[in-house]
Amino acid sequence: AQSVSQHNHHVILSEAASLELGCNYSYGGTVNLFWYVQYPGQHLQLLLKYFSGDPLVKGIKGFEAEFIKSKFSFNLRKPSVQWSDTAEYFCAVNARTGFQKLVFGTGTRLLVSP
Amino acid sequence: EPEVTQTPSHQVTQMGQEVILRCVPISNHLYFYWYRQILGQKVEFLVSFYNNEISEKSEIFDDQFSVERPDGSNFTLKIRSTKLEDSAMYFCASTVEGGADYGYTFGSGTRLTVV
Repeated sequence: AQSVSQHNHHVILSEAASLELGCNYSYGGTVNLFWYVQYPGQHLQLLLKYFSGDPLVKGIKGFEAEFIKSKFSFNLRKPSVQWSDTAEYFCAVNARTGFQKLVFGTGTRLLVSP
Repeated sequence: EPEVTQTPSHQVTQMGQEVILRCVPISNHLYFYWYRQILGQKVEFLVSFYNNEISEKSEIFDDQFSVERPDGSNFTLKIRSTKLEDSAMYFCASTVEGGADYGYTFGSGTRLTVV
């Protein structure tokens, strides 16, 4: 079974600071990887996803993530955060075959101070 | 942009009562899911549904839970006799293909409070 670990539960940054949120997964097979964002009071929105190809994936709002297969990691980065990035960020994984459920990490709550 | 619609946005119910949470997935999507998020915890998979039957369910999805697609557009989650620990945000999601090559689209959730 898959599992996902997000080691940073709460992150506080000032505007313009750089962001990196860690995500590690555990699964023996091939996976798809996702980052979702949940703004206060809103639903989960897809930031970016990795299925295959270039391990550096660019998403919306200036976010990117890098898949490092040897480290089972898919860390989320943004060079310069904004106050509007305040939200909860979830890493998720599913197995490549069949109609497989998403398995989520525990989430990282990001607070960006102006 | 197409959306997954969930109703109601908030539901308060007494312990032991039945609740039905409703979802309208995106019209050309074929795979449907329910997830829940207990306050302060991670999003957990409950059940997946394809071709009018459950394709996978988690340990959480016991006999108190059921899902249905009664009319080809709605996708419902029923909790027969609610418990305090069922209090959570429930998210519906849908996707075109089960392998999620197109990504999942989530609804805005129903916050269920059992008192």
